[in-house]
Amino acid sequence: ETGVTQSPTHLIKTRGQQVTLRCSSQSGHNTVSWYQQALGQGPQFIFQYYREEENGRGNFPPRFSGLQFPNYSSELNVNALELDDSALYLCASSLVRERQFQPQHFGDGTRLSIL
Amino acid sequence: QQQVKQSPQSLIVQKGGISIINCAYENTAFDYFPWYQQFPGKGPALLIAIRPDVSEKKEGRFTISFNKSAKQFSLHIMDSQPGDSATYFCAASLSQGAQKLVFGQGTRLTINP
Repeated sequence: ETGVTQSPTHLIKTRGQQVTLRCSSQSGHNTVSWYQQALGQGPQFIFQYYREEENGRGNFPPRFSGLQFPNYSSELNVNALELDDSALYLCASSLVRERQFQPQHFGDGTRLSIL
Repeated sequence: QQQVKQSPQSLIVQKGGISIINCAYENTAFDYFPWYQQFPGKGPALLIAIRPDVSEKKEGRFTISFNKSAKQFSLHIMDSQPGDSATYFCAASLSQGAQKLVFGQGTRLTINP
């Protein structure tokens, strides 16, 4: 069973740039959620994708957007990067059956640094 | 209403001792309470989870105690080992709709040999 994989592992960008982070869900999972984890803090929910549509969003501005593909992999896009966007970005996948969610399993994240 | 408060922020326990981490939640609609373990440079790994229809769940050395009326739950690690040294996060969510996990602030646990 393949776990959740994220790429790249590290990324350095400057203010105002755009970034795309990628996630491959665990085999058999059909839902992907993205979280932002600032240093020393707990992860914060950004949004979730189910059946290729956004299925819930946290308190993040529209410059955070995403996609889910037919193979259940996902992308997180962030436009107009700000210094406060520096964080570990985590992807979690889970299986949904008849609207019942199974536990979420996390990847090791992408460390994004904004200069 | 969406907050989960976790304490303590850091904890030092001797090898073989019991580690106890506490969490409190506000939203009474939450019905799924997992605990995650995170090592440096790694993502959170699911440790154990509980639903509010039971007051306790045990898996190996890890036990969750749940108090629905007090809106509190805790993680007990029995016979703590140096390999348990990590950051622990409690979380809460609804099991229906978007499973948006609301995390506590984390507890850095150090087990001294």
